[in-house]
Amino acid sequence: DAKTTQPNSMESNEEEPVHLPCNHSTISGTDYIHWYRQLPSQGPEYVIHGLTSNVNNRMASLAIAEDRKSSTLILHRATLRDAAVYYCILRDRRDNYGQNFVFGPGTRLSVLP
Amino acid sequence: EAQVTQNPRYLITVTGKKLTVTCSQNMNHEYMSWYRQDPGLGLRQIYYSMNVEVTDKGDVPEGYKVSRKEKRNFPLILESPSPNQTSLYFCASRRGEGIQYFGAGTRLSVL
Repeated sequence: DAKTTQPNSMESNEEEPVHLPCNHSTISGTDYIHWYRQLPSQGPEYVIHGLTSNVNNRMASLAIAEDRKSSTLILHRATLRDAAVYYCILRDRRDNYGQNFVFGPGTRLSVLP
Repeated sequence: EAQVTQNPRYLITVTGKKLTVTCSQNMNHEYMSWYRQDPGLGLRQIYYSMNVEVTDKGDVPEGYKVSRKEKRNFPLILESPSPNQTSLYFCASRRGEGIQYFGAGTRLSVL
């Protein structure tokens, strides 16, 4: 069962770094860890994904624990536009083709000016 | 511009009246999916498709049908909608393990 656990909500001050944690103790060896976010009244948008090594892109960094049972999404300098619900996602391999993506409730990030 | 287009954006209907929500992508992606989003439950996958004529159930397929006759289109069909299908629906597409692109959403109310 591809289950992730995230805090319900977090708060950050503008221009400070934010570390959003995710536990995924049941992850299988070949599963990527995906992060998406959903701004108010919009569809989810891609943030970052990774397999084993830490990953960086222009939006964020993804730090993956050595045992892969947890990961942390890092926003280096939070802005007001980063206020959103952040989802850590795995694939559930109980279906025929292993393509069922499981979104949990996510973490609602508030950014204070 | 890379796009996933859903129509309609808003729909109010009555119980039992068949409806179709269309989804189209312009990125030649193999994978397409439908999700529903309900308060407190996050997004749940309804159906997905790996390519033309290949579909499989997600977490909540009951009451829905899909078809993938062309690579760019993946319509969601509700043969006999019921009030518990009132929800916000998202279509998405991706290539391989790559980025999933989501549509803007369809807000459906079934009275």
